[in-house]
Amino acid sequence: EAAVTQSPRNKVTVTGGNVTLSCRQTNSHNYMYWYRQDTGHGLRLIHYSYGAGNLQIGDVPDGYKATRTTQEDFFLLLELASPSQTSLYFCASSELGGSAETLYFGSGTRLTVL
Amino acid sequence: GDSVTQTEGQVTVSESKSLIINCTYSATSIAYPNLFWYVRYPGEGLQLLLKVITAGQKGSSRGFEATYNKETTSFHLQKASVQESDSAVYYCALRPNTGGADRLTFGKGTQLIIQP
Repeated sequence: EAAVTQSPRNKVTVTGGNVTLSCRQTNSHNYMYWYRQDTGHGLRLIHYSYGAGNLQIGDVPDGYKATRTTQEDFFLLLELASPSQTSLYFCASSELGGSAETLYFGSGTRLTVL
Repeated sequence: GDSVTQTEGQVTVSESKSLIINCTYSATSIAYPNLFWYVRYPGEGLQLLLKVITAGQKGSSRGFEATYNKETTSFHLQKASVQESDSAVYYCALRPNTGGADRLTFGKGTQLIIQP
């Protein structure tokens, strides 16, 4: 069974704070994704990567950086957090990024920016 | 752009009764996208429930089924008899079959509440 682990599960920070969300997958998948989920919206893609050192911009990238340090690890960075970034964040992975492929998700990180 | 509409934010159904969760889509990038249902159980991440990549076909899993209707651009999720363990949030999604996983578009999700 594919495994994607996110940490922390919950995070509270203040406006202007620096936050790093972590994601590790043990699936040997090439693609990894960061999404945010807000009430009234579907999941929206922030950034994604198809391998170590690679980064692609998603649909809602403003205010976020990301880094893929290894095939397993993908980090989301909020360097100057704002209340609008309060959200539920999901990391996911897929093997080759194909259009019919299954995405495997972590359990999510709930971020609150005060 | 592409879009997925789930009209109900929450659906309440009594145990053993039938269920339908509505999903319609608009795919401007391609006529016949791939269609998916994902489910998120409490405290867990999303997981694939079923998918259909051919218009007119039906997908099924764990007692749920959905038919890809290209005429009405719909992909409603149905189950004949729900159980308490079906309580979850259900997401409809589409992806153009000429695009990569970065083009996956999700609906807002429908929370299913099962009454005992």
